[in-house]
Amino acid sequence: AQKVTQAQTEISVVEKEDVTLDCVYETRDTTYYLFWYKQPPSGELVFLIRRNSFDEQNEISGRYSWNFQKSTSSFNFTITASQVVDSAVYFCALSEALNTGGFKTIFGAGTRLFVKA
Amino acid sequence: DTGVSQDPRHKITKRGQNVTFRCDPISEHNRLYWYRQTLGQGPEFLTYFQNEAQLEKSRLLSDRFSAERPKGSFSTLEIQRTEQGDSAMYLCAPGDSRTDTQYFGPGTRLTVL
Repeated sequence: AQKVTQAQTEISVVEKEDVTLDCVYETRDTTYYLFWYKQPPSGELVFLIRRNSFDEQNEISGRYSWNFQKSTSSFNFTITASQVVDSAVYFCALSEALNTGGFKTIFGAGTRLFVKA
Repeated sequence: DTGVSQDPRHKITKRGQNVTFRCDPISEHNRLYWYRQTLGQGPEFLTYFQNEAQLEKSRLLSDRFSAERPKGSFSTLEIQRTEQGDSAMYLCAPGDSRTDTQYFGPGTRLTVL
């Protein structure tokens, strides 16, 4: 069955520290997508990144970077020089193909990140 | 701005009452998904539409739940005879069929007393 595991329930760092959020997934699909979403205290789910299973290149976007390793079924997320505004719950997610043509998104339980000033 | 509005943003109701939520995507998407998020958990899939057709329902969607997308644009989710266990955030997400990326609306937080 499709599954996403985020082993870290909560992480607390001091501003300007680097932090890595871990994500491990299980899937039976040969083609799939992986995602990260951010949920700040306001509650909205904010899309951060989508990665195709065929593309294992690491990606960097400003202070954010993602490391996709298919061999270990991991898709980790690193925030460099963290800021207080990074405080949020971060969800790793995996697409699961539906027989009817759509895709549902399987979410991990989330990692709550606290960044202290 | 996610390009999705949901109404109401908050709903408090008494057990046994019926409630209806609405999701309005700003731009056109063939697919529209509903999810439910309980406290401390990630969202869970409920159902999805391809245009007007409801193509998939999760086992989480009991017969007290019904969803529609009459014109292939906005969608409604109704819960009949609400129970305390229905208390959650209900999220809708238009789906980009090309990339499978779902952009979530702000959600409707339901509290059943």
